[in-house]
Amino acid sequence: DAGVTQSPTHLIKTRGQQVTLRCSPISGHKSVSWYQQVLGQGPQFIFQYYEKEERGRGNFPDRFSARQFPNYSSELNVNALLLGDSALYLCASSLLWGAHEQYFGPGTRLTVT
Amino acid sequence: GIQVEQSPPDLILQEGANSTLRCNFSDSVNNLQWFHQNPWGQLINLFYIPSGTKQNGRLSATTVATERYSLLYISSSQTTDSGVYFCAGEETSGSRLTFGEGTQLTVNP
Repeated sequence: DAGVTQSPTHLIKTRGQQVTLRCSPISGHKSVSWYQQVLGQGPQFIFQYYEKEERGRGNFPDRFSARQFPNYSSELNVNALLLGDSALYLCASSLLWGAHEQYFGPGTRLTVT
Repeated sequence: GIQVEQSPPDLILQEGANSTLRCNFSDSVNNLQWFHQNPWGQLINLFYIPSGTKQNGRLSATTVATERYSLLYISSSQTTDSGVYFCAGEETSGSRLTFGEGTQLTVNP
């Protein structure tokens, strides 16, 4: 079975632009979470969605938004990009919400210049 | 939210040596996972271990939930074990994983 997939792999954007990152969970998984990992640190939680509803939001500004589609895939949108948004963005899927093993995709590496 | 602390931050070994990585968490957790991050950034699941002991080949892990810590054991280390090891805990109130800062492991031939 395919694992979690993310697109694109790499992305270069300019300050002030907007970006959309995509994630497809493992088949049968209904929960998707997004994490941001800056160089030298552990991943930081951004959002979690379960059954198309937001179930959690981390300490990120309103420039960050996400949604989950009926097929359980998800998009993360970031508006008005700042240099500090440069990071590896990771998507994780789990079967259900709460106390279930999470599996991560390969990530999207975003560079803001 | 919970706090997760990992030690040591860096570890250098010779091939064949054994090692123990530690993860302390500040409060009760629903879920405790160990990951290995490869040089390309992929987080590879090692263990899902809210409590008890599990083994997978040369790796094993123990979580003592009542004392709020988990240990990852690597035996007979190989150069391919190099990379960053993360532990992450999930709060009882939700599904977000809180990661530690990681242990950078280097195994020299």
